[in-house]
Amino acid sequence: EIVMTQSPATLSVSPGERAILSCRASQSVTTNLAWYQHKPGQAPRLLIYGASTRATGVSARFSGIGSGTEFTLTISSLQSEDLAVYYCQQYNDWPPERAFGQGTKVEI
Amino acid sequence: QVQLQESGPGLVKPSETLSLTCTVSGGSITYYHWNWIRQSPGKELEWIGNIYYSGSTDYNPSLRSRVTISLDASKSQFSLKVTSVTTADSAVYYCARCILGTSRIFDSWGQGKSVTVSS
Repeated sequence: EIVMTQSPATLSVSPGERAILSCRASQSVTTNLAWYQHKPGQAPRLLIYGASTRATGVSARFSGIGSGTEFTLTISSLQSEDLAVYYCQQYNDWPPERAFGQGTKVEI
Repeated sequence: QVQLQESGPGLVKPSETLSLTCTVSGGSITYYHWNWIRQSPGKELEWIGNIYYSGSTDYNPSLRSRVTISLDASKSQFSLKVTSVTTADSAVYYCARCILGTSRIFDSWGQGKSVTVSS
């Protein structure tokens, strides 16, 4: 079973600053890694898949990098609309008992 | 743009069966994988399982014995049943679509349906 661990649990960032979110897999998932944004009361939204490919319509302020066990989501020039919980998800080991990390809450 | 909407009872008694339906609008149900994902209070998102438009299914190994996902293409709906529920099954249940050609990346989600298991 692959376990996804995200850090930090909460990230406080000022508007205009850069936010860096980390996701670590307990074993290699190659680049089979996605990131989602979840705002309160809304449906989760796919941001990144393949570790670095932005989903359709996603702002270039969001970028992903990594492979193997270490991954990073960077939000450049944070805006108030970016307040949300961000989840990573591995899809290398399927079907999984646990696919998602526990989330990082981004506070403005 | 495709839209997904969950529906069903918000309260289920312990030991009974939880049943939810997801209605797909604004897009075809054909050629996609359709999923159920849940989030219990204070916990991470948990993938429950999915169904391909052809009817083939895949389930989370930890839930496989209690879960059934079915699809009615004529109604553009797919459904979830979880048997023998306990309080641990209380969660917000989401339906989601996978990116075309994949079965593991979720590009469209419903708003979620809160389900409480309580007597």
